[in-house]
Amino acid sequence: GENVEQHPSTLSVQEGDSAVIKCTYSDSASNYFPWYKQELGKRPQLIIDIRSNVGEKKDQRIAVTLNKTAKHFSLHITETQPEDSAVYFCAALMNTGFQKLVFGTGTRLLVSP
Amino acid sequence: GAGVSQSPSNKVTEKGKDVELRCDPISGHTALYWYRQSLGQGLEFLIYFQGNSAPDKSGLPSDRFSAERTGGSVSTLTIQRTQQEDSAVYLCASSQYNEQFFGPGTRLTVL
Repeated sequence: GENVEQHPSTLSVQEGDSAVIKCTYSDSASNYFPWYKQELGKRPQLIIDIRSNVGEKKDQRIAVTLNKTAKHFSLHITETQPEDSAVYFCAALMNTGFQKLVFGTGTRLLVSP
Repeated sequence: GAGVSQSPSNKVTEKGKDVELRCDPISGHTALYWYRQSLGQGLEFLIYFQGNSAPDKSGLPSDRFSAERTGGSVSTLTIQRTQQEDSAVYLCASSQYNEQFFGPGTRLTVL
């Protein structure tokens, strides 16, 4: 069935270090992969997304890579700052039957000063 | 423009009572999702509406949960005979193509 796995569940880094969060998906027909950031007490908000026709996309300190063959994609945050501390969710747009966005289980990122 | 709105923002109810949660999606968005998020947990998918198609109800945890979407716009999530384990934040999201826009959520507390 539809499934998105996300690792790690928690990640602690020092300010200035890089952070990497990885996701795998089950539907080979998936063609859209967004990442959402949820700060404490707030709603999830889109921070970056990638479509299946590209392998990498960057936006300042964040980047996403996609490996369609292996069905996995990753979020990379460089030069982390305390304000990057949040829960990050990956998602994949499933194209079997309904075109439905399926979320991973989330990664709690803690950036220590 | 206006984003996704939800009401009420907070709801406290007694065990066994019914509650209705409302979601107003962004105008023109054909897809609408409901999620449940317990404290410190992930997004638990509940139900998905896409245009005039029959909804995907595969995430509803029990028959006490139901949802409607009238006229392809406003949606109501109903929980009957609430239990303490229903306490959570209920999030609604809408989309037109791919990106989902989330509402602020309704925090439900069942005493």
